[in-house]
Amino acid sequence: GEDVEQSLFLSVREGDSSVINCTYTDSSSTYLYWYKQEPGAGLQLLTYIFSNMDMKQDQRLTVLLNKKDKHLSLRIADTQTGDSAIYFCAERRGNNRLAFGKGNQVVVIP
Amino acid sequence: DTGVSQDPRHKITKRGQNVTFRCDPISEHNRLYWYRQTLGQGPEFLTYFQNEAQLEKSRLLSDRFSAERPKGSFSTLEIQRTEQGDSAMYLCASSYQDATNEKLFFGSGTQLSVL
Repeated sequence: GEDVEQSLFLSVREGDSSVINCTYTDSSSTYLYWYKQEPGAGLQLLTYIFSNMDMKQDQRLTVLLNKKDKHLSLRIADTQTGDSAIYFCAERRGNNRLAFGKGNQVVVIP
Repeated sequence: DTGVSQDPRHKITKRGQNVTFRCDPISEHNRLYWYRQTLGQGPEFLTYFQNEAQLEKSRLLSDRFSAERPKGSFSTLEIQRTEQGDSAMYLCASSYQDATNEKLFFGSGTQLSVL
């Protein structure tokens, strides 16, 4: 199939690190993205990584890319209550469309 | 506010009625996308425009759906003879396409409920 896969639910204590995983499908994808969606809202672009990179760090966010396994992860350091949301990974395919996973719900426990 | 705006935020309609949604992209963005999101799923691509040209339509976009972007600025998405299965969040996104990367910025969506 052509699905981008994500695990569904993660709970984490405030101050701990969160790791969200994603498996994508198209080895020719040039860019991979992480979006955040809060209840009743649209998607907010958090970060992205170019396919020739292994890692990208952006403040509390670290993106790791394993191109061989088509595996993408997002680590959030010092998770805060405002990080509670659904996180979507997306791959940019050759026809310019973004293909999204089903999302991973992160709940931060104070 | 310079973000992507969508109107209305919520729409409740009866089955068989027509509905129209509007999207105003970020002003300098040349690409505009429509996505649909159902509960528990990620957004699914429907169609996109580069300026006023509609360049691609998904198989999800049945004949009852039509999108326009007449002047290359705002866009409308119309659904005719709505069905209960059309109930979803309709998301609009815009971007400025350049040679290196394309970052999509999403609006807050229009939540459609078909009774």
